Amino acid sequence: ELKVEQNPLFLSMQEGKNYTIYCNYSTTSDRLYWYRQDPGKSLESLFVLLSNGAVKQEGRLMASLDTKARLSTLHITAAVHDLSATYFCAVGGGQNFVFGPGTRLSVLP
Amino acid sequence: NAGVMQNPRHLVRRRGQEARLRCSPVKGHSHVYWYRQLPEEGLKFMVYLQKENIIDESGMPKERFSAEFPKEGPSILRIQQVVRGDSAAYFCASSPNVRGGETQYFGPGTRLLVL
Repeated sequence: ELKVEQNPLFLSMQEGKNYTIYCNYSTTSDRLYWYRQDPGKSLESLFVLLSNGAVKQEGRLMASLDTKARLSTLHITAAVHDLSATYFCAVGGGQNFVFGPGTRLSVLP
Repeated sequence: NAGVMQNPRHLVRRRGQEARLRCSPVKGHSHVYWYRQLPEEGLKFMVYLQKENIIDESGMPKERFSAEFPKEGPSILRIQQVVRGDSAAYFCASSPNVRGGETQYFGPGTRLLVL
């Protein structure tokens, strides 16, 4: 059974600081997705990582995938308040598509 | 080019009533997925459908819940005899291709409250 874990589950950080969110999964998969969800809103697709070593960047967010370690990271550079949200990773392939529990990020002024 | 549409956005039901949630996928998408999100939790997969077929319903409770995606019209998630524990946000997503190979585009969700 595919299991997806994220850590930390809660993160408070100061504006301007850097931090990394980790996503671990239990069985082999070469497709990993990152989503953002604002309170009371739907999910917004951030990144799709489709191969080992994939790295994608958008603004202050950068995501990477290591399929051998079954690990993806979402790195936040010089955080700003607008990045406050819950970030989900999801792992999928074929009939499986499983979300992690989410990391709730608060960026403080 | 409209995204995934869900209605209603908010639904209030009393215990024992039926809830019908509708989802219109992105135009051209033939794969639909339903998820449930309890407050302060992540999304839990419920069911994956293609037109007129249920592909994977492993996440759906065996009783009271059903889903369909007819040849014409939206996908419907139906909850019969609702109970308080059914209160949650229900999200629909669609993709153009096989599950897992493409990103899923999410609708705004239906927030169900059972009194």
